[in-house]
Amino acid sequence: EAQVTQNPRYLITVTGKKLTVTCSQNMNHEYMSWYRQDPGLGLRQIYYSMNVEVTDKGDVPEGYKVSRKEKRNFPLILESPSPNQTSLYFCASSPYLAGDRYEQFFGPGTRLTVL
Amino acid sequence: AQTVTQSQPEMSVQEAETVTLSCTYDTSESDYYLFWYKQPPSRQMILVIRQEAYKQQNATENRFSVNFQKAAKSFSLKISDSQLGDAAMYFCAYRSESFNFNKFYFGSGTKLNVKP
Repeated sequence: EAQVTQNPRYLITVTGKKLTVTCSQNMNHEYMSWYRQDPGLGLRQIYYSMNVEVTDKGDVPEGYKVSRKEKRNFPLILESPSPNQTSLYFCASSPYLAGDRYEQFFGPGTRLTVL
Repeated sequence: AQTVTQSQPEMSVQEAETVTLSCTYDTSESDYYLFWYKQPPSRQMILVIRQEAYKQQNATENRFSVNFQKAAKSFSLKISDSQLGDAAMYFCAYRSESFNFNKFYFGSGTKLNVKP
């Protein structure tokens, strides 16, 4: 089954404790992206990647890191989480956007709470 | 950066009736794509419909259709014959076709309630 998976689905942590949210897709998509969803703000793009070793900032990259060492994986790293990073996080993937108009396929979301 | 505005935080519709969700966007570009996504209580993001800006014809997908007004920068979603399963958050989204085509911009969402 074609899908985007995220782990964990729920996470409660404390300020300053490094964490990683994993994202994996099995559709051989070049493009992957991370979003955070907050009430009243919709989804905001954190980082995206056009292919292996190619990443760029979205609109709200502060406090986050990403890496793309393999095509299928795009982990989101919070090296020193703070309470303002409490949010619902989505990973998404799609074939390379330029030249065609594919939709993004979203993962199930990760609910993160930073105390 | 482009902005996408959904001015209706919440709406209600009677089952089997028609409802229209509004979306406006701000851009100086001529080529772009617009999307409507549905997010049911399961939180899964589901693409409902998309519209290419260069197409004058409004997109339709079964009971879902859009009213795309390029000059007015308006992109509303019409849901006909509303069903209980249509209850969800709906997000409007924009993607450039030229500059910064790797970035997506979402509106703040409209919560749709469907009354039996």
